[in-house]
Amino acid sequence: NAGVTQTPKFQVLKTGQSMTLQCAQDMNHEYMSWYRQDPGMGLRLIHYSVGAGITDQGEVPNGYNVSRSTTEDFPLRLLSAAPSQTSVYFCASSRDTANYGYTFGSGTRLTVV
Amino acid sequence: DAKTTQPTSMDCAEGRAANLPCNHSTISGNEYVYWYRQIHSQGPQYIIHGLKNNETNEMASLIITEDRKSSTLILPHATLRDTAVYYCIARGNTGNQFYFGTGTSLTVIP
Repeated sequence: NAGVTQTPKFQVLKTGQSMTLQCAQDMNHEYMSWYRQDPGMGLRLIHYSVGAGITDQGEVPNGYNVSRSTTEDFPLRLLSAAPSQTSVYFCASSRDTANYGYTFGSGTRLTVV
Repeated sequence: DAKTTQPTSMDCAEGRAANLPCNHSTISGNEYVYWYRQIHSQGPQYIIHGLKNNETNEMASLIITEDRKSSTLILPHATLRDTAVYYCIARGNTGNQFYFGTGTSLTVIP
């Protein structure tokens, strides 16, 4: 198992550009989430999904879209990048969050200039 | 989900037990206590969770007070590789998302 795979690992965007951060898991997990982590801060939940076709907003959803067309993939789209979206983004998945917790990817470091 | 309070930072000597406290005085009866850790620049790693009984696994032990208002994560023999930020989260078992705070930065000293 590769676990949770995030691509790219690093990205620099110009203000106003759009892009998609990819997240894939090969563990057949139903639950997936996206978090962002700013320097010196904890993780903040952006969006999450409890299964294919079902998504919901977290704490800081503005400026981001998600979709879950398959169990394996949960891409995060930045619609029009802003410097405030400079952050490290983590994707996570879980079979059953009550009993197993989340497995996290290694992160995507995004800089918006 | 109940709010949790943790010390900002702690030190521990290598080879000693590291005891990381967490207060969750507003926790409700169906909320579990979860612990994660984040080693520098990596994604968080699940450690352990529990409801009311003490729990132990290969990584750590979790001690929850009888009134469930606080808990302690114990790393029995801390190593330098345990230096990380440790997050305590209280969450209901029907919720699907975790809300992380700023955690406790643990430094294991040689």
